[in-house]
Amino acid sequence: QVQLQESGPGQVKPSETLSLNCAVSGYSINNGYYWGWIRQSPGKGLEWLGSIYHSGNTYYNPSLKSRVTISVDTSRNQFSLKLTSVTAADTSIYFCAACIRSQDFWFDPWGQGILVTVSS
Amino acid sequence: DIQVTQSPSSLSASVGDRVTITCRASQIISSRLNWYQQKSGTAPKLLIFAASGLQSGVPSRFSGSESGTNFTLTISSLQPEDFATYYCQQTFSPFLSFGGGTKVDIK
Repeated sequence: QVQLQESGPGQVKPSETLSLNCAVSGYSINNGYYWGWIRQSPGKGLEWLGSIYHSGNTYYNPSLKSRVTISVDTSRNQFSLKLTSVTAADTSIYFCAACIRSQDFWFDPWGQGILVTVSS
Repeated sequence: DIQVTQSPSSLSASVGDRVTITCRASQIISSRLNWYQQKSGTAPKLLIFAASGLQSGVPSRFSGSESGTNFTLTISSLQPEDFATYYCQQTFSPFLSFGGGTKVDIK
């Protein structure tokens, strides 16, 4: 059974970089089709941040411009999110999610989410 | 970018009601539309994949359909555990996008 678990600091200061990891268990990250990050601001909807494919290709939400980077660490079987120059507007629950098979085009499973607050 | 417009943003319904939620894509997306259910404080749960595929373990009262760029999630008989927020997601483009969500609450 594939399981995902987010980790990282629960608070980040404005203008700094938010860094989160998503540990994958029960499956090799090398075999997955793509892995993604999604966030949800308090009381708001889901916002896709970006995805990284098995090929190494990455796609990011254009609204975040060049602030987002997603990478994979195969030695630790995890993938990561970096979001630079954060502001209060980046305060959200951050979810990682997986699209396991190349014939699938949906996120399942998801991590439980981690709340990150941007505050000095 | 492909936009998905979800409606309504909220609805009130009673147990046993038939509920319909719609998403309209800004272009043809060839069944690449998924539906998720989210309950407060938890991660979204996949309900319907590829417009009409029922995810394993999801009750058969949930169904999805497609007509052109219009997609529909139907709950045939609303149950107490179905009060939640529902999101559609397009995955035709690698630049993924979600609908704005529909909150279903108790009338």
